[in-house]
Amino acid sequence: QKEVEQDPGPLSVPEGAIVSLNCTYSNSAFQYFMWYRQYSRKGPELLMYTYSSGNKEDGRFTAQVDKSSKYISLFIRDSQPSDSATYLCAMSSDRGSTLGRLYFGRGTQLTVWP
Amino acid sequence: NAGVTQTPKFQVLKTGQSMTLQCAQDMNHEYMSWYRQDPGMGLRLIHYSVGAGITDQGEVPNGYNVSRSTTEDFPLRLLSAAPSQTSVYFCASSYSINPADTQYFGPGTRLTVL
Repeated sequence: QKEVEQDPGPLSVPEGAIVSLNCTYSNSAFQYFMWYRQYSRKGPELLMYTYSSGNKEDGRFTAQVDKSSKYISLFIRDSQPSDSATYLCAMSSDRGSTLGRLYFGRGTQLTVWP
Repeated sequence: NAGVTQTPKFQVLKTGQSMTLQCAQDMNHEYMSWYRQDPGMGLRLIHYSVGAGITDQGEVPNGYNVSRSTTEDFPLRLLSAAPSQTSVYFCASSYSINPADTQYFGPGTRLTVL
């Protein structure tokens, strides 16, 4: 079983829609949860970061972590064509052999059409 | 700051050839890492370094060597290229191994092995 599972999509939505992206994971040691955005033929860039459980909001983006279900989500409100990219979830822990290593999902390709 | 730079951007090799992928950062980061990104697989950690002179293996280290003689540079060497090493390679750096520190990714090197 892969450590991090993410539906690769693709996901296509109209401008203004609410987008929901999700990942599940199996390693209960993960405490740090990130979402990266990757534009075509570019390197990933950090979008949001959450420690442990809870919600975090940054403008149109909201990240949620439910450690009891081993499930994380990223919501994009009022989606824009400029949000079209691949979204990668990533996780890490601060202990043991997984310290400092990022474990990535496969990425979900999102297209927002005008 | 240039951030994380990678050279070359593209490379085509024949099976059995060797080459070095270059990575440099100008942010005085201690932690540097190499990932490969394959379709449907997400990013997987190859090798990482927590400082000059210190390296360790990641998830998929076979066929790759690294060394870190300076804080700024972290080259990745392919000893005898194989078609299975066709991939996009990303270098990343962060202030420390602490997962709370943001990892910054380079633009990537697209490698094809014939």
